[in-house]
Amino acid sequence: AQTVTQSQPEMSVQEAETVTLSCTYDTSENNYYLFWYKQPPSRQMILVIRQEAYKQQNATENRFSVNFQKAAKSFSLKISDSQLGDTAMYFCAFITIGGTSYGKLTFGQGTILTVHP
Amino acid sequence: EAGVAQSPRYKIIEKRQSVAFWCNPISGHATLYWYQQILGQGPKLLIQFQNNGVVDDSQLPKDRFSAERLKGVDSTLKIQPAKLEDSAVYLCASSQGIGGGQETQYFGPGTRLLVL
Repeated sequence: AQTVTQSQPEMSVQEAETVTLSCTYDTSENNYYLFWYKQPPSRQMILVIRQEAYKQQNATENRFSVNFQKAAKSFSLKISDSQLGDTAMYFCAFITIGGTSYGKLTFGQGTILTVHP
Repeated sequence: EAGVAQSPRYKIIEKRQSVAFWCNPISGHATLYWYQQILGQGPKLLIQFQNNGVVDDSQLPKDRFSAERLKGVDSTLKIQPAKLEDSAVYLCASSQGIGGGQETQYFGPGTRLLVL
């Protein structure tokens, strides 16, 4: 079975500070992509960042970066210089290439992040 | 570029009634997905279409849920009859190609269903 675990149901951070959201996953496949999605209170899911499993270099997108540890099956998201607009539910997800779950996005349970002024 | 559109945004029904949701994907996107998101959980894929064919419906409760994608564009998801445990947000997403892992899925705003 393919699973994603986000062990932090809720996190909070002060504006302008840095916060890290944790994610671990389990799959027997070797080829996959990892994602962090953001779901603001309006509920439209938006892609934050994507990482290809075959790439050792960690992905970055402006204030968002990941720490991808393939051997440990860990994929954490770091948000630098947090802004009020970062307040949202964050989902870790992955999708495998090949196997029986080809093309099926598997999500974690989510972490509610609140940025305080 | 217009995003994924869904309607209605909210629906309240009583158990055993039927309900239908509509989704219009981003123009030109070949793959369309329906997800169920129960409160406090991550979305779960119900069904995936490539053009107007079903790629994966392994997690669709086929005794009560049905879906179709008309002419490979719009899609409807129907529940008949609804149960209390169907209360959830139903998300539609689309991606440009054939649903490979490298593609970004673009999500709609969702339809929030409450079954009483």
